Amino acid sequence: QKEVEQDPGPLSVPEGAIVSLNCTYSNSAFQYFMWYRQYSRKGPELLMYTYSSGNKEDGRFTAQVDKSSKYISLFIRDSQPSDSATYLCAIASGGSYIPTFGRGTSLIVHP
Amino acid sequence: GAGVSQSPSNKVTEKGKDVELRCDPISGHTALYWYRQRLGQGLEFLIYFQGNSAPDKSGLPSDRFSAERTGESVSTLTIQRTQQEDSAVYLCASSYGQGTDTQYFGPGTRLTVL
Repeated sequence: QKEVEQDPGPLSVPEGAIVSLNCTYSNSAFQYFMWYRQYSRKGPELLMYTYSSGNKEDGRFTAQVDKSSKYISLFIRDSQPSDSATYLCAIASGGSYIPTFGRGTSLIVHP
Repeated sequence: GAGVSQSPSNKVTEKGKDVELRCDPISGHTALYWYRQRLGQGLEFLIYFQGNSAPDKSGLPSDRFSAERTGESVSTLTIQRTQQEDSAVYLCASSYGQGTDTQYFGPGTRLTVL
């Protein structure tokens, strides 16, 4: 079993939809959770990070962590065509902040 | 200000040749990371520099891979005797410090080994 599992998609939604992107992980030592967005032929850029269980909101984006289930989510409200990209979750432990990345979910928001 | 830059953006080489990939981090960033991204896969950690020392090189897949960094500046990743399975995008990232500081990624070098 991989340490971080993420469905590669693609996930295709209409403009304005609420998008839910998810990852599961196996190592309970993980305590630092990140979401990156990667446009085609570009490097990833950090969208959000959180240390704790619960929700963290930033504009149209909400990151959710459930440590008891080892499950993290990224919600995108009012999705836009410009949100079309690959979204990668990344998780790190406190002892080593080198993150373990999921394989990414390809999101397509069509007008 | 300028972000992380990488060169070349694309490299096509023949199996068995050596290649050298370059990363220019953001000025003032002490930490530098190299990752590999195979098609449809997540990022695979290769090596981490703090200054010009490499406290973690556990991700280098074989002794054909090596990296160095000059001070808190440019880093080069060298792959000797390239194999077809080395084909991937090689990404470099830098951060102000270590630990939880945000990593800023370059655009990557797309390596194709024929």
